[in-house]
Amino acid sequence: AAGVIQSPRHLIKEKRETATLKCYPIPRHDTVYWYQQGPGQDPQFLISFYEKMQSDKGSIPDRFSAQQFSDYHSELNMSSLELGDSALYFCASSISGTIFEGYTFGSGTRLTVV
Amino acid sequence: AQKVTQAQTEISVVEKEDVTLDCVYETRDTTYYLFWYKQPPSGELVFLIRRNSFDEQNEISGRYSWNFQKSTSSFNFTITASQVVDSAVYFCALREEGAGSYQLTFGKGTKLSVIP
Repeated sequence: AAGVIQSPRHLIKEKRETATLKCYPIPRHDTVYWYQQGPGQDPQFLISFYEKMQSDKGSIPDRFSAQQFSDYHSELNMSSLELGDSALYFCASSISGTIFEGYTFGSGTRLTVV
Repeated sequence: AQKVTQAQTEISVVEKEDVTLDCVYETRDTTYYLFWYKQPPSGELVFLIRRNSFDEQNEISGRYSWNFQKSTSSFNFTITASQVVDSAVYFCALREEGAGSYQLTFGKGTKLSVIP
């Protein structure tokens, strides 16, 4: 079965650089969520999109932006990177409906800022 | 206020012992979902179970079992006859339906180490 695809798997950037993370949800899934997990921390919700519109916003820094495209894939853009942005970034997708069927998480992108 | 509390930060057990991971949640919604995820050292989040608030039936899947008790707002996870491969961080998580926000709120996680 198709899963949530995240690219790249690993990314190394220098401070003040920009990074773009991509997420391809499961076909038919119309909602995408982004989470950030710092070392030794629990995943923290950043932002979500439903039908290409931002549906919810969590603790996402102003330096970060995201969008969902017409093919439902999503990109998380991170600018002016800081050392503290080093984390595992997860994307998850779900399908809206009367009955919640659950989330599917991607394998994550490990971002290292040096 | 923390919505999902996993009071056990780290647990160590010897292989073949049983271990229970505790999860206490807080919500005002009548409809909500509870989850358990496993995160091995490789980093991916492995889905273990989803339970909705209207289904208090306990579940068993192989060596794994879950005890959902709404009266105590708990959703505990037991591993029977633990194995080294069970070593991981386990997260309990909550999704509420009432506020229109469908994000998942995680607990801080419990790191389980199974010693051979």
